[in-house]
Amino acid sequence: EAQVTQNPRYLITVTGKKLTVTCSQNMNHEYMSWYRQDPGLGLRQIYYSMNVEVTDKGDVPEGYKVSRKEKRNFPLILESPSPNQTSLYFCASSLTGQGAYEQYFGPGTRLTVT
Amino acid sequence: AQSVAQPEDQVNVAEGNPLTVKCTYSVSGNPYLFWYVQYPNRGLQFLLKYITGDNLVKGSYGFEAEFNKSQTSFHLKKPSALVSDSALYFCAVSLSTGGFKTIFGAGTRLFVKA
Repeated sequence: EAQVTQNPRYLITVTGKKLTVTCSQNMNHEYMSWYRQDPGLGLRQIYYSMNVEVTDKGDVPEGYKVSRKEKRNFPLILESPSPNQTSLYFCASSLTGQGAYEQYFGPGTRLTVT
Repeated sequence: AQSVAQPEDQVNVAEGNPLTVKCTYSVSGNPYLFWYVQYPNRGLQFLLKYITGDNLVKGSYGFEAEFNKSQTSFHLKKPSALVSDSALYFCAVSLSTGGFKTIFGAGTRLFVKA
């Protein structure tokens, strides 16, 4: 089954404790992206990757890191989480980064930072 | 600034009646336009997209959307609403210049009453 998977689905952590949210897709997609969803703000793009070893900032990259060492994986790293990073996070992928292709979304990771 | 607006936080409609969820955008160049739906505790699912050509596009579950270039709008429509259509709907724009970024609207919650 074609899918985007994220782990963990739920995470509660404390301020300053480094964490990684994994994302993997099995569709051989070139493009991958991370979003955060907050009430009243919709989805905001954190980082995206056009292909292996090619990443770029979205609209809200502060406090986040990403890497794309393999085509299928695109982990999101919070090196020193803060309470304002409490949110619902989605990973997505699409065939290419040309803009005309729809994105496939993972199930989401609900992160709480206390 | 480039933006996507969904002017209604919530739309209420009776089952069997037509529904419209509004979206307007303000971006430079020729955008690619998308609608996604989010059911509770799920990731976003693609509904339909406009890339070029016919201004009326048809998508999944009987939904359609009309692209209006002069009004910079891309409203989502369905001739006869179902209770199962109740969900959160997002309009999104992909930019064809300056890298592949996607801008989402804040979302519109649709309630269909039996």
